[in-house]
Amino acid sequence: GENVEQHPSTLSVQEGDSAVIKCTYSDSASNYFPWYKQELGKRPQLIIDIRSNVGEKKDQRIAVTLNKTAKHFSLHITETQPEDSAVYFCAEGKKEGSGGGADGLTFGKGTHLIIQP
Amino acid sequence: DGGITQSPKYLFRKEGQNVTLSCEQNLNHDAMYWYRQDPGQGLRLIYYSQIVNDFQKGDIAEGYSVSREKKESFPLTVTSAQKNPTAFYLCASSIWDSFNEQFFGPGTRLTVL
Repeated sequence: GENVEQHPSTLSVQEGDSAVIKCTYSDSASNYFPWYKQELGKRPQLIIDIRSNVGEKKDQRIAVTLNKTAKHFSLHITETQPEDSAVYFCAEGKKEGSGGGADGLTFGKGTHLIIQP
Repeated sequence: DGGITQSPKYLFRKEGQNVTLSCEQNLNHDAMYWYRQDPGQGLRLIYYSQIVNDFQKGDIAEGYSVSREKKESFPLTVTSAQKNPTAFYLCASSIWDSFNEQFFGPGTRLTVL
């Protein structure tokens, strides 16, 4: 089946610095790559996603880059703040075709991001 | 946050008992999903359903069963055949013609004693 590798498992950065989390995937048919943020005991919340037809997407301090040839994508958080502390999950999925239904997502194991004051 | 509800929030059961977890959504989403999350792990797909009266096995379906009799509801039964059922269970939903943009419920933490 599909596999998603996520690194690092723990990332500690100084407040104000940037954080980068990387994921690789194996299924060349994957065309959707979301990132979720999960606080302790809470539900995952979608923070940004990217489709396979673009290489980069940005939303304020958060950006995602995708390299389909190398099958990897990354989350970049700039000017980190204490409220960015959480576990971040990458995932991959695919839509079968126009009008087709969506299958479930395959998730990485998560990165625990710690923002040091 | 609204739109997808799961109940109960915490559930305790004795070993060997079947238990059913509830998931309801009022987002008019066609597709619904069940994931399991263990400590330090990502989410793993148990079952999903793209339309009423149809569902598909995910990566770890053994020991679980589902039904989809209504668009709004997708209950998950954890059977006694599931060898290690203690986990955090998350339900999600998405629209039919989408790139898997899934919205999650608050989760049910199941503990088997």
